[in-house]
Amino acid sequence: GESVGLHLPTLSVQEGDNSIINCAYSNSASDYFIWYKQESGKGPQFIIDIRSNMDKRQGQRVTVLLNKTVKHLSLQIAATQPGDSAVYFCAENHSSASKIIFGSGTRLSIRP
Amino acid sequence: NAGVTQTPKFQVLKTGQSMTLQCAQDMNHEYMSWYRQDPGMGLRLIHYSVGAGITDQGEVPNGYNVSRSTTEDFPLRLLSAAPSQTSVYFCASSYGEGRGSEAFFGQGTRLTVV
Repeated sequence: GESVGLHLPTLSVQEGDNSIINCAYSNSASDYFIWYKQESGKGPQFIIDIRSNMDKRQGQRVTVLLNKTVKHLSLQIAATQPGDSAVYFCAENHSSASKIIFGSGTRLSIRP
Repeated sequence: NAGVTQTPKFQVLKTGQSMTLQCAQDMNHEYMSWYRQDPGMGLRLIHYSVGAGITDQGEVPNGYNVSRSTTEDFPLRLLSAAPSQTSVYFCASSYGEGRGSEAFFGQGTRLTVV
């Protein structure tokens, strides 16, 4: 079946350091792998996605890496700021459907 | 633009009651979907729709019904509420097939069933 899971439930990072959030997936047929950010009391917010035929994609302060050999996805946040405190979810979907399957989430906390 | 609007924001139901959670989007998105999020958990897909008149089941559809009579609206109906349906419900919309993976989420409806 489809599943997307995360290695660690919590991550504490010093402000200014880089954060790396990891995710394992099992469905090799996915077209997109996606990262969402969810702040307390709010709905998830899209951060970045990567197509399955790519291995790296960069955005503003974020980089997503996809390793299809070991079915691993990671989100790197450069120069982590207090505003990055949130729960981060990896997810996957198929371009032919609106289904997005979410992982269980990693809570990122920032130490001053 | 309002984006994705969910109503109500909070609701308390008694076991056995029925109700409808409303979701509306003003972005002319083809795809809409409903998720539930339990404490400390990820989001699980309940039902989804790829266009008006078309709906399909997600991971946890039991106890819920949906319909999509217009592009804008995608209501979620609880037929007979149970305590296990206590959760936060999120509605989402996205552009459609071949137009990327970004989904836009509403602010959620916090439902308590007593």
